[in-house]
Amino acid sequence: AQKITQTQPGMFVQEKEAVTLDCTYDTSDPSYGLFWYKQPSSGEMIFLIYQGSYDQQNATEGRYSLNFQKARKSANLVISASQLGDSAMYFCAMREVTGNQFYFGTGTSLTVIP
Amino acid sequence: DAGVIQSPRHEVTEMGQEVTLRCKPISGHDYLFWYRQTMMRGLELLIYFNNNVPIDDSGMPEDRFSAKMPNASFSTLKIQPSEPRDSAVYFCASRDDRGSSYNEQFFGPGTRLTVL
Repeated sequence: AQKITQTQPGMFVQEKEAVTLDCTYDTSDPSYGLFWYKQPSSGEMIFLIYQGSYDQQNATEGRYSLNFQKARKSANLVISASQLGDSAMYFCAMREVTGNQFYFGTGTSLTVIP
Repeated sequence: DAGVIQSPRHEVTEMGQEVTLRCKPISGHDYLFWYRQTMMRGLELLIYFNNNVPIDDSGMPEDRFSAKMPNASFSTLKIQPSEPRDSAVYFCASRDDRGSSYNEQFFGPGTRLTVL
């Protein structure tokens, strides 16, 4: 079974609008961390935001927030007030405390339309 | 901190040649990971090290691939002989071990390998 599932291969959003990128995960570990990375066309992987499984509040970092629904095992990334520079691939990832590796999803390509 | 450093950034070689990719992790990080990214297979973990020791190399595609970490500040990924299907972007990443799940991986800029 896939550890991380991103069901949206591509998304479009109008500049200044908000967009939600979906991510669901699968684990039986009670303790885990969820991460989002951004990969612009230049290729580097940029860490955006983290959510711990025991965190009571949804994580926020500037225009990024993570909509964490533990019972549904979802960790959607919300980007508010989209900018042209947000056009990129976005990867959801998970690390279980009992393991060391990260599991990455297949990514969502976001295009911001002027 | 300069971040994770990889070299070369681009490599073009001919089938059958040996290719060596290099990585310098962030100082103080205990873990080092090698990934391969292709359009078809996405981001794949090849191998990772903890304190310079290879822990899991189950993602290494075949015997043509080998990785070493002779010290805490240097790792290599070698492909010998290279094949066109090895063309991909190879990322190195590192993280420290604070004993919690909050240890984001810091990625290097990647090496874009093209095997003709």
